[in-house]
Amino acid sequence: AQTVTQSQPEMSVQEAETVTLSCTYDTSESDYYLFWYKQPPSRQMILVIRQEAYKQQNATENRFSVNFQKAAKSFSLKISDSQLGDAAMYFCAYGGGSQGNLIFGKGTKLSVKP
Amino acid sequence: DSGVTQTPKHLITATGQRVTLRCSPRSGDLSVYWYQQSLDQGLQFLIQYYNGEERAKGNILERFSAQQFPDLHSELNLSSLELGDSALYFCASSVGGGHSYNEQFFGPGTRLTVL
Repeated sequence: AQTVTQSQPEMSVQEAETVTLSCTYDTSESDYYLFWYKQPPSRQMILVIRQEAYKQQNATENRFSVNFQKAAKSFSLKISDSQLGDAAMYFCAYGGGSQGNLIFGKGTKLSVKP
Repeated sequence: DSGVTQTPKHLITATGQRVTLRCSPRSGDLSVYWYQQSLDQGLQFLIQYYNGEERAKGNILERFSAQQFPDLHSELNLSSLELGDSALYFCASSVGGGHSYNEQFFGPGTRLTVL
């Protein structure tokens, strides 16, 4: 069975600085997708970034980028120029195989200090 | 706004009761997924429906059931409620049904409190 592990329950970053959130996963599948979701205090789940496993190039969305290491089964999220609005829970998620459902990590709570 | 709607937003009920949560997917989306978010279990997949048919099952209790109607809205029924069922229940929808590269759009969730 696939698993997703986020080893950092909480992280803190100074406004305008860079922070990296870690995620590792386990799977025997070769074709899959990885996601980072943001959950602000409103509890809405917001897709931040997506990575297809067959793509070697790391995905980037504005200030958000990933470091995808397929062999190491690692998928970290880097947030550059952190803003107060980035404060939220961040969930790493795995999707793959014939099912469409997502498998989530336990989450990392990110605080941004002004 | 993701385009996915869930009602009600909040639900408070007593142990042993039965409740129904409703989800309307985005226009054009055929798949509906139900997830449960609790403090101890995190975000867990419960069940998926695609175009009216059950497609995948996750950690869904036997006391829970779901269905998807011809208009594609879905309902999650929770019965014989226990304190531990208190959680945030999310519905998500996607265009396709079998591959995760179809982005899932999440609704705002229904907060269930069992007293």
